[in-house]
Amino acid sequence: GENVEQHPSTLSVQEGDSAVIKCTYSDSASNYFPWYKQELGKRPQLIIDIRSNVGEKKDQRIAVTLNKTAKHFSLHITETQPEDSAVYFCAASYNTGANSKLTFGKGITLSVRP
Amino acid sequence: DAGVTQSPTHLIKTRGQQVTLRCSPISGHKSVSWYQQVLGQGPQFIFQYYEKEERGRGNFPDRFSARQFPNYSSELNVNALLLGDSALYLCASSLTLGAGANVLTFGAGSRLTVL
Repeated sequence: GENVEQHPSTLSVQEGDSAVIKCTYSDSASNYFPWYKQELGKRPQLIIDIRSNVGEKKDQRIAVTLNKTAKHFSLHITETQPEDSAVYFCAASYNTGANSKLTFGKGITLSVRP
Repeated sequence: DAGVTQSPTHLIKTRGQQVTLRCSPISGHKSVSWYQQVLGQGPQFIFQYYEKEERGRGNFPDRFSARQFPNYSSELNVNALLLGDSALYLCASSLTLGAGANVLTFGAGSRLTVL
């Protein structure tokens, strides 16, 4: 089955700097890659996603890039703010049309220092 | 419009007991998925239901079962609870099983503690 790994497990940046979080996946058939943000005690919230037919997607300060050949995708956050501090999970999915389970990584704790 | 709602929010059980968790999807969403999130880990897929049929099952023992009702709400049952079942149980809904199905919206979860 699919295996998703995230590195590093923690990341600390200064407010205003950029943060890059990387994920690798194992199943070349995976075709959907979302990123979720989970603040302490709260639900995971989708912040951006990308499908396998696209190499990059941007939404204001966040962007995701996908390298299908290397089987990795990255989350880029620019001009980080203290409210960006949270755990970020990447996931991969192969939507067969029969089911669409997500396989998550273990998460990265991002700390933005004011 | 309400999001995904789950109940109860917190519960404490002892080993060997049984628990039922409930989920109501976003209005109009026909697919419900259940995930287990152990502290410090990412969510792990348990089940997906669509139109009352099981459409996917993760690597969990038969002690875990679920069902979906005609109004698309869902229940997750866990029998013979073990200490290792302590976790946040997340319900997520999605519109269909088609191209947009992967876009999951999560509920706030049910925090289960097994003593």
